[in-house]
Amino acid sequence: AQSVTQPDIHITVSEGASLELRCNYSYGATPYLFWYVQSPGQGLQLLLKYFSGDTLVQGIKGFEAEFKRSQSSFNLRKPSVHWSDAAEYFCAVGAPGGGNKLTFGTGTQLKVEL
Amino acid sequence: ETGVTQSPTHLIKTRGQQVTLRCSSQSGHNTVSWYQQALGQGPQFIFQYYREEENGRGNFPPRFSGLQFPNYSSELNVNALELDDSALYLCASSYRGGDPEKLFFGSGTQLSVL
Repeated sequence: AQSVTQPDIHITVSEGASLELRCNYSYGATPYLFWYVQSPGQGLQLLLKYFSGDTLVQGIKGFEAEFKRSQSSFNLRKPSVHWSDAAEYFCAVGAPGGGNKLTFGTGTQLKVEL
Repeated sequence: ETGVTQSPTHLIKTRGQQVTLRCSSQSGHNTVSWYQQALGQGPQFIFQYYREEENGRGNFPPRFSGLQFPNYSSELNVNALELDDSALYLCASSYRGGDPEKLFFGSGTQLSVL
């Protein structure tokens, strides 16, 4: 069975500082990996995804993530955080051919201090 | 704006009642999936519909059921509501055969069971 762990429940960073959100997954083969962002009262918005190929993936809003097979990790990064990035971030894993069945982590709540 | 709309936005029911939640998929999408997001948790996959048939189910009991209509709108029905069913219910649509696993989420229906 696939699973996702996001070890940090809350993270606070200052505006302009760099950000790294951690994600570890468990899956028998190379999974599909995703990062979603959720603002209060909103649904989930896809930031980026990894299916295969280049292990450094670029997404929207200046985010990137790196797939590291040896560490079963898919950490999300941003070089300079903006106040509008405050939200909850979810890492998710899916199985190739598994359709829309994604397994999500419990999320990391990001707070940005001005 | 993803083009996936859900109704109602909020709903209050009492234990034992039945509820129907509705979702209108993004234009051109033929696959819909439903997720349950309890407070402080990541979304959990309930089931997926493709061409009006259930096509994958998570670990949810049979009192959770669904329908997909020819116009690709969808319903989630929950019978015999329990207090633990209180959650945000998210609908997500995609085009099967296109970019795999690219889901577009609605803003959700917040269900409270008293």
